[in-house]
Amino acid sequence: AQKITQTQPGMFVQEKEAVTLDCTYDTSDPSYGLFWYKQPSSGEMIFLIYQGSYDQQNATEGRYSLNFQKARKSANLVISASQLGDSAMYFCAMREGSTGTASKLTFGTGTRLQVTL
Amino acid sequence: ETGVTQSPTHLIKTRGQQVTLRCSSQSGHNTVSWYQQALGQGPQFIFQYYREEENGRGNFPPRFSGLQFPNYSSELNVNALELDDSALYLCASSFQDRGPTGELFFGEGSRLTVL
Repeated sequence: AQKITQTQPGMFVQEKEAVTLDCTYDTSDPSYGLFWYKQPSSGEMIFLIYQGSYDQQNATEGRYSLNFQKARKSANLVISASQLGDSAMYFCAMREGSTGTASKLTFGTGTRLQVTL
Repeated sequence: ETGVTQSPTHLIKTRGQQVTLRCSSQSGHNTVSWYQQALGQGPQFIFQYYREEENGRGNFPPRFSGLQFPNYSSELNVNALELDDSALYLCASSFQDRGPTGELFFGEGSRLTVL
């Protein structure tokens, strides 16, 4: 079963507008973490935001916020005031359970965001 | 910049050959992991090294192997290359003792093409 689902292969947004990138996840582990990464054409994965399963509040980092709905198992990324430099692939990822394999992330298939003038 | 560097950036091999990819972790990090990203897909976890020992592995065959050195640099070796091994290989470093919120710092990857 796919653990991370990103149903939007591509999204367009106008500059200065807000955009929501969808992510749903599946796990039976009560302890997990959810991540969003940005991947520009250079290939590097750039960390954007993190949400822990026990965090009471939605995570925010500058223009990025994570809309965490635990009961629905969704962790959507909201980018406010989009900029041309936000054009990239965006990946949602999850880390489950113990820290034994602390760097094992399960990634979704990504959403390509294009910011237009 | 994340401080994680990978080499080479691009390389071409033929089926059956062997390849070694290298990664230099961010200073102070004790954990390195490798991911394979096929075209149009998300990265897939290959394995993790912590203090020079493999301590986690994804669904990859034994011909994928690795090393982590005392200075926390790392190598990914792939033997008997197959066409499906063509992908971007990403290295990520982290400091594991910081628990589940420990951020992964990725390099820019090595793009391998197998002909």
